[in-house]
Amino acid sequence: GAVVSQHPSWVICKSGTSVKIECRSLDFQATTMFWYRQFPKQSLMLMATSNEGSKATYEQGVEKDKFLINHASLTLSTLTVTSAHPEDSSFYICSARQGDYEQYFGPGTRLTVT
Amino acid sequence: GQNIDQPTEMTATEGAIVQINCTYQTSGFNGLFWYQQHAGEAPTFLSYNVLDGLEEKGRFSSFLSRSKGYSYLLLKELQMKDSASYLCAVVDSNYQLIWGAGTKLIIKP
Repeated sequence: GAVVSQHPSWVICKSGTSVKIECRSLDFQATTMFWYRQFPKQSLMLMATSNEGSKATYEQGVEKDKFLINHASLTLSTLTVTSAHPEDSSFYICSARQGDYEQYFGPGTRLTVT
Repeated sequence: GQNIDQPTEMTATEGAIVQINCTYQTSGFNGLFWYQQHAGEAPTFLSYNVLDGLEEKGRFSSFLSRSKGYSYLLLKELQMKDSASYLCAVVDSNYQLIWGAGTKLIIKP
């Protein structure tokens, strides 16, 4: 149980285009979903927290107009990287929380912007 | 501010035992997680401690002392596949996860 999927697992896009990443909790309803970014050899950096049906809460320094998060249902959250640039190339990981504590991680999406 | 400290890198020998320490200073405490992350993959859950003491799960054990703001992850009978980064994360008073930078564990034959 507690499986989280992400799609796509990797994507290459051209600078200036937008990319959408989906995060789904497959066998449970996630009250809260989190989006992380991880650069090589660095730890996870929380980008935003989203609760179903409400606006996402962004961490300091994360541009909400650039990283659009939609948490449309208890099993689906999407992250759209708008007008992507090479510096946005990173490993994006979502996680879903059931209850107060443990977060279940998706497999991650590797984004490369050329 | 909130702070999680872990060693950056550790090296151990196959078959041996290694202890990875984590100290924390956070606004509130609602538990501590240890995750394993192989290169290029997402983290996977190892353990969760909310009360003081040792939790044992197979080759892996995790210890917590809330009064000292301290935890460790103990790995026994090390295998080559245990080479990974180990992330310590604390649940703060807002139920947010505060992440350490991770400890890269290198296992040598």
